[in-house]
Amino acid sequence: EDQVTQSPEALRLQEGESSSLNCSYTVSGLRGLFWYRQDPGKGPEFLFTLYSAGEEKEKERLKATLTKKESFLHITAPKPEDSATYLCAVPGSARQLTFGSGTQLTVLP
Amino acid sequence: KAGVTQTPRYLIKTRGQQVTLSCSPISGHRSVSWYQQTPGQGLQFLFEYFSETQRNKGNFPGRFSGRQFSNSRSEMNVSTLELGDSALYLCASSLGGGLRAPDTQYFGPGTRLTVL
Repeated sequence: EDQVTQSPEALRLQEGESSSLNCSYTVSGLRGLFWYRQDPGKGPEFLFTLYSAGEEKEKERLKATLTKKESFLHITAPKPEDSATYLCAVPGSARQLTFGSGTQLTVLP
Repeated sequence: KAGVTQTPRYLIKTRGQQVTLSCSPISGHRSVSWYQQTPGQGLQFLFEYFSETQRNKGNFPGRFSGRQFSNSRSEMNVSTLELGDSALYLCASSLGGGLRAPDTQYFGPGTRLTVL
């Protein structure tokens, strides 16, 4: 059974204070890894897809990386508008996504 | 392009009732997946529809069902509602045709169901 674990559960940063979120996974054959951002009361917003170890993707202050066992979401010089819950997910053999429990990020001004 | 839309956005029902939720996918997307999100269990997969056929199903009781129409719009139904069914129900659409690399799923805003 696919498993996804995210850490930390919650993270508070000062504006401009860079950090990383972790997503470790156990799957039988990695078919990709997705990162989403979710604001309170809204649906998850797609950020990145990573397909193979060593791959990196960037978008504004966010950079996602992937190894054979885990993925990191690096946040450089975050702003208060980056506050959200960040979710990672892996697809199963039948395309369903297994999600981690998320990291709730708060960026203080 | 318009995103995934879900109606209604909020619902309040009582135990024992049934409810139908609707989802319109992104134009051109043929796959619709449904997820349940609760504070305790997080996001859990319910089922996926592609070309009007249920292609995959999660580990939920038979009270949860769905269907897809020829225009790819989808509905999910929950019968005999229980208090534990209170959740945010999310619909996600994708192109759906890929068998190797997984499609990106794009989520709607969700329907917040409260069961009293």
